[in-house]
Amino acid sequence: DTAVSQTPKYLVTQMGNDKSIKCEQNLGHDTMYWYKQDSKKFLKIMFSYNNKELIINETVPNRFSPKSPDKAHLNLHINSLELGDSAVYFCASSAGTEIRTDTQYFGPGTRLTVL
Amino acid sequence: AQSVTQLGSHVSVSEGALVLLRCNYSSSVPPYLFWYVQYPNQGLQLLLKYTSAATLVKGINGFEAEFKKSETSFHLTKPSAHMSDAAEYFCAVMLRTGRRALTFGSGTRLQVQP
Repeated sequence: DTAVSQTPKYLVTQMGNDKSIKCEQNLGHDTMYWYKQDSKKFLKIMFSYNNKELIINETVPNRFSPKSPDKAHLNLHINSLELGDSAVYFCASSAGTEIRTDTQYFGPGTRLTVL
Repeated sequence: AQSVTQLGSHVSVSEGALVLLRCNYSSSVPPYLFWYVQYPNQGLQLLLKYTSAATLVKGINGFEAEFKKSETSFHLTKPSAHMSDAAEYFCAVMLRTGRRALTFGSGTRLQVQP
C-alpha cells in the first residue's frame, strides 16, 4: 500500500505548456506539502496545506498553483512552463498534530523535464 | 532564519567501516532535527529525528545521531557500513513553533566500497 503517491512519475514537456502533478495520501493526514528538488539535489518547500487551507506559500512564481480538492489530495498546476522549472517535485504529508511529534512522509517524486 | 550545512557532498567508506555524515545547523533557538535518506529514484525516508528528548537518537537501519547544542551539530553515524546504505542523506531542521516547513541541507552522497 502506497502511503503518499504521485502521478506521473516522469513528465517531459515543452516550454510554455501547462501541466499538473497529482498527489494523494492514504494516511488520513491533515497536512500536505510540495517540495522542489533542483538539479543540485537542493530541496525547498513550496507550499503547505492543512485541511484544504493554504498555510505556507513560499516565494514561488504565481505560475505555480496548488489545489486541494480534499484533505487527501494536493495537486500542483504549473502554467507557462519554463526551462528553470525542470526539477523533481516531492509531495509529502503529515498528521498535523503537535509539531514535536509530527513527521512528514514523502512521495516518490515527479521528475519534470522542460524542453 | 534557520539553515543547515552538510560538510562533504560525497563520502566514501569501505563495507564494514564506520559511517560519519556531518550536519551543522544555524537557528536562533534549538530546532527539531531530522535525517532523511533518499535511495536512487525514490522519495525521502525518515531515518531519525531529534525533538528534545534524549540527545542520542537511534533510527532505522542501525543509524544514530547525537545532538550537540554547544557545537550546533547533529552528525549521523553507523558503526558498520553495508552496501545497501549507499544513498543520498539529507539533514533537515524545523522550527519548534510556527511553520511546519523542513529546511534541508544540500545532501551527502554516501558510497560504500566492497
